[in-house]
Amino acid sequence: KNEVEQSPQNLTAQEGEFITINCSYSVGISALHWLQQHPGGGIVSLFMLSSGKKKHGRLIATINIQEKHSSLHITASHPRDSAVYICAVQKTSYDKVIFGPGTSLSVIP
Amino acid sequence: EPEVTQTPSHQVTQMGQEVILRCVPISNHLYFYWYRQILGQKVEFLVSFYNNEISEKSEIFDDQFSVERPDGSNFTLKIRSTKLEDSAMYFCASIGTGEKLFFGSGTQLSVL
Repeated sequence: KNEVEQSPQNLTAQEGEFITINCSYSVGISALHWLQQHPGGGIVSLFMLSSGKKKHGRLIATINIQEKHSSLHITASHPRDSAVYICAVQKTSYDKVIFGPGTSLSVIP
Repeated sequence: EPEVTQTPSHQVTQMGQEVILRCVPISNHLYFYWYRQILGQKVEFLVSFYNNEISEKSEIFDDQFSVERPDGSNFTLKIRSTKLEDSAMYFCASIGTGEKLFFGSGTQLSVL
């Protein structure tokens, strides 16, 4: 069984839509990361969460430790948001990162 | 923002050849990692490195793989005798005291 699951696997949205990507995990963690991977392959860290909620621009990430669940929201989506969004967890500080399968997002103008 | 630098961006090699993938982590970081991503699959952990030694390695990281930090700045991944199934994107990553992850842009390895 995968330790990190994401839904949906693929998502197509119209520009301007509000988008939610969900992540659930089955292990105890010290941190959860939301990452963005563009078609060129590079991976960028968006958020690191251990509790609560973080916001950066149009992106909002939340985590519920008790339910082992996190969400990434994108408000007013734009075609440049098209990418693969990956949820990843660490069991302890500085531990290896365990990656989820990713959600492929396509935002259509 | 500081960057993790990886070279080369693309590497094509013949099966059985040795390859060395290079990474320059962020200068004050202490924890280093190699990951790989086979096309269409999720990113997988290979090895973690701290205090000039391997701290953890995955089942993938067999005797064909090795890592070194030869000069205190470069962090290398060597594959001694490449196989077709080693074809993947290889990512170097490092973590500093703030625990934020920084990834390199990756090396696309193609084994023919």
